[in-house]
Amino acid sequence: GNSVTQMEGPVTLSEEAFLTINCTYTATGYPSLFWYVQYPGEGLQLLLKATKADDKGSNKGFEATYRKETTSFHLEKGSVQVSDSAVYFCALESGNTPLVFGKGTRLSVIA
Amino acid sequence: DAGVIQSPRHEVTEMGQEVTLRCKPISGHDYLFWYRQTMMRGLELLIYFNNNVPIDDSGMPEDRFSAKMPNASFSTLKIQPSEPRDSAVYFCASSFGARGEKLFFGSGTQLSVL
Repeated sequence: GNSVTQMEGPVTLSEEAFLTINCTYTATGYPSLFWYVQYPGEGLQLLLKATKADDKGSNKGFEATYRKETTSFHLEKGSVQVSDSAVYFCALESGNTPLVFGKGTRLSVIA
Repeated sequence: DAGVIQSPRHEVTEMGQEVTLRCKPISGHDYLFWYRQTMMRGLELLIYFNNNVPIDDSGMPEDRFSAKMPNASFSTLKIQPSEPRDSAVYFCASSFGARGEKLFFGSGTQLSVL
């Protein structure tokens, strides 16, 4: 079946550091891939997406590239801010079934 | 639009009591999802509806859990009787079509069962 594995947290970084959160997936067919973000006390919201191999999703300085050869969709940001502190979820969608989420990675950015 | 609205935001109850969580999806959305979030298990899909009809409830942990969607603008998740291990954040989400890019979450209900 479809599944998503993302790196366990928590991840703690200093402001302006480089961020990578790893995500790999297993899926049948050709899934779409997503990163969702959950700020403290809120529900999840879509951060970025990619619908086919080699697509790059980007938003708010975050990027992720859909790599079919390595079945990966790693999230990156060149310079994190305190306001980026949140839980990040990798997710995939295949066919007409609901999103499959990873377990989430908590990021804390300290000034 | 006000987004997906959940109530209550926080619920504290004692073991054995009935708990009812409520959700109002975004108007026009035809899919509604109930999720549970815990530190140990992450985000789990409990049940989802399409056009008010339950499609898959295989994620509902046990018979103590039930969900209904009597109309397009309202859904409930009920736990009876509640147990301490049910303590979690419960999210409702809705979408137009089962598309991840169009999935919107409510702010969740923090449930504590003592």
